[in-house]
Amino acid sequence: GIQVEQSPPDLILQEGANSTLRCNFSDSVNNLQWFHQNPWGQLINLFYIPSGTKQNGRLSATTVATERYSLLYISSSQTTDSGVYFCAVKTSYDKVIFGPGTSLSVIP
Amino acid sequence: DADVTQTPRNRITKTGKRIMLECSQTKGHDRMYWYRQDPGLGLRLIYYSFDVKDINKGEISDGYSVSRQAQAKFSLSLESAIPNQTALYFCATSDFKRTDTQYFGPGTRLTVL
Repeated sequence: GIQVEQSPPDLILQEGANSTLRCNFSDSVNNLQWFHQNPWGQLINLFYIPSGTKQNGRLSATTVATERYSLLYISSSQTTDSGVYFCAVKTSYDKVIFGPGTSLSVIP
Repeated sequence: DADVTQTPRNRITKTGKRIMLECSQTKGHDRMYWYRQDPGLGLRLIYYSFDVKDINKGEISDGYSVSRQAQAKFSLSLESAIPNQTALYFCATSDFKRTDTQYFGPGTRLTVL
């Protein structure tokens, strides 16, 4: 089946720093989403981005479907950005596969 | 997302007990999903349903069953709970007719002793 990898697994940032999170997938996908799981466990939609680039405030995402990767950019990080970031892909069989996540800690 | 609710939010039970987790949505979405999250890991798909009469197994369906009672309700049952089913369980919905973006409920923390 399709494999989804995320890097780095863990990241510690000083408040105000920028970061790039990566999601690689091993086969063609129908769509891709980025989620943020906050420290209370809630999963929050960030982007639905099967291809192209989107921006929402300090966050932006780019998916290059032909090269099988997606990037999530966080600029001017804040402590509230802490948590785990997941990418999830949907295969041609309509199954959703989550990556293992990147755990981000933003320190003041 | 307040449009997707899960009950109970927390449950402690004993090995061998039957447990039902319930999910309701007011988003009007056709698709519903059940996921499991273990500590330090991503989510794994248990079952998914495209409509009331269409239910499909996910990655890890063994030991679980589901019922889609209506478009808005999707319940997950553990027929005979075992300790390694201790996890955080999430329900999600999506609207295939639009973007198929998934929206998650708040989660149910289940502990099997």
